[in-house]
Amino acid sequence: GESVGLHLPTLSVQEGDNSIINCAYSNSASDYFIWYKQESGKGPQFIIDIRSNMDKRQGQRVTVLLNKTVKHLSLQIAATQPGDSAVYFCAENSNYGQNFVFGPGTRLSVLP
Amino acid sequence: DGGITQSPKYLFRKEGQNVTLSCEQNLNHDAMYWYRQDPGQGLRLIYYSQIVNDFQKGDIAEGYSVSREKKESFPLTVTSAQKNPTAFYLCASSPGTASYEQYFGPGTRLTVT
Repeated sequence: GESVGLHLPTLSVQEGDNSIINCAYSNSASDYFIWYKQESGKGPQFIIDIRSNMDKRQGQRVTVLLNKTVKHLSLQIAATQPGDSAVYFCAENSNYGQNFVFGPGTRLSVLP
Repeated sequence: DGGITQSPKYLFRKEGQNVTLSCEQNLNHDAMYWYRQDPGQGLRLIYYSQIVNDFQKGDIAEGYSVSREKKESFPLTVTSAQKNPTAFYLCASSPGTASYEQYFGPGTRLTVT
């Protein structure tokens, strides 16, 4: 498999439990955020996004929370399943920036 | 079936050789990107292109070159000047730049020995 993410922080959760993955972003001017999921040897997949005029957004089994005061983003996964095992990372952008800045990622490991 | 394709999935080269990585998209997206991913690090931007025949350097462009002759294609050449070319390379596209989701290809793992 792909060696990406060998030295990443790891979150281990029991199957069926909720997972919370955190991300601290760097630019107070960032106004658009995305969470990506990356499985071993594959490209990142979009999970959910949020704009800075919101502090919460829900998708299917996932919720993203945004705290602009402390520049913190979190991804909550409800009823975590084995298929959720992957590296998750956040990306931030602003209308003043041309490109996204990506965080290093967190490896989620789902235990049976 | 729309999406982004990268080929090949694995690529092996000898040190001192240039190598070109392919990226094609049929999403009709204007913007395309190349990223490099190393263990324990976030994605780092190599080059990006907002429109055909135009491209800009990203954070780590040294030792790389690109072209954007067609909207759907954005090949990346890793030159012999790149000091540490072994990495996982990801191509992405988006309808625009800021505030638009990027769609990623499956990646190419380049190993240079």
